[in-house]
Amino acid sequence: AQSVTQPDIHITVSEGASLELRCNYSYGATPYLFWYVQSPGQGLQLLLKYFSGDTLVQGIKGFEAEFKRSQSSFNLRKPSVHWSDAAEYFCAVGVNSWGKLQFGAGTQVVVTP
Amino acid sequence: GAGVSQSPSNKVTEKGKDVELRCDPISGHTALYWYRQSLGQGLEFLIYFQGNSAPDKSGLPSDRFSAERTGGSVSTLTIQRTQQEDSAVYLCASSFPGTDNEQFFGPGTRLTVL
Repeated sequence: AQSVTQPDIHITVSEGASLELRCNYSYGATPYLFWYVQSPGQGLQLLLKYFSGDTLVQGIKGFEAEFKRSQSSFNLRKPSVHWSDAAEYFCAVGVNSWGKLQFGAGTQVVVTP
Repeated sequence: GAGVSQSPSNKVTEKGKDVELRCDPISGHTALYWYRQSLGQGLEFLIYFQGNSAPDKSGLPSDRFSAERTGGSVSTLTIQRTQQEDSAVYLCASSFPGTDNEQFFGPGTRLTVL
């Protein structure tokens, strides 16, 4: 069965420091991978997605993610975080052809001054 | 507005009552999804609509849950005889069909069952 694991429930990072959020998936075929962000009281917003091709994908708000098939990982990174990046981040896998998403448990990011 | 809207934003109800949650998708989006976000279960898929039909209802947790979509647009999720474990945020998303199309999420309806 497909699964998505985000090992870190909570991460605290200083403003200006780099951020890396981990995501591991279990999926039989070539996965469709996504990162979403949810700010307090808001719906989910797509940061970036990977379907094929270049394994390093760029997204909005300065985020990037790297797909590593050998490690079944799709980690999200940002070189320098801003206070506005405090939010919950979800990794997701598209599990069928019409777009059903399976989400990880989420990682809460706290940004300190 | 151009985004997905949901109403009400908050709903408090008593155990055993029925509730209806509404989703207005982005105009032109034929695909519509309902998800549930709860503390214990995270984000779970509930149901998928393509147009007015629902080819995948596999995530509906019980027969107390039902959903419909009319005119290829507005969708209503109905929960009958609500239970405390139904308390969650119910999220709606819409998109053009296919995994490679971005799903745009609404702000959600927070349901609290007392």
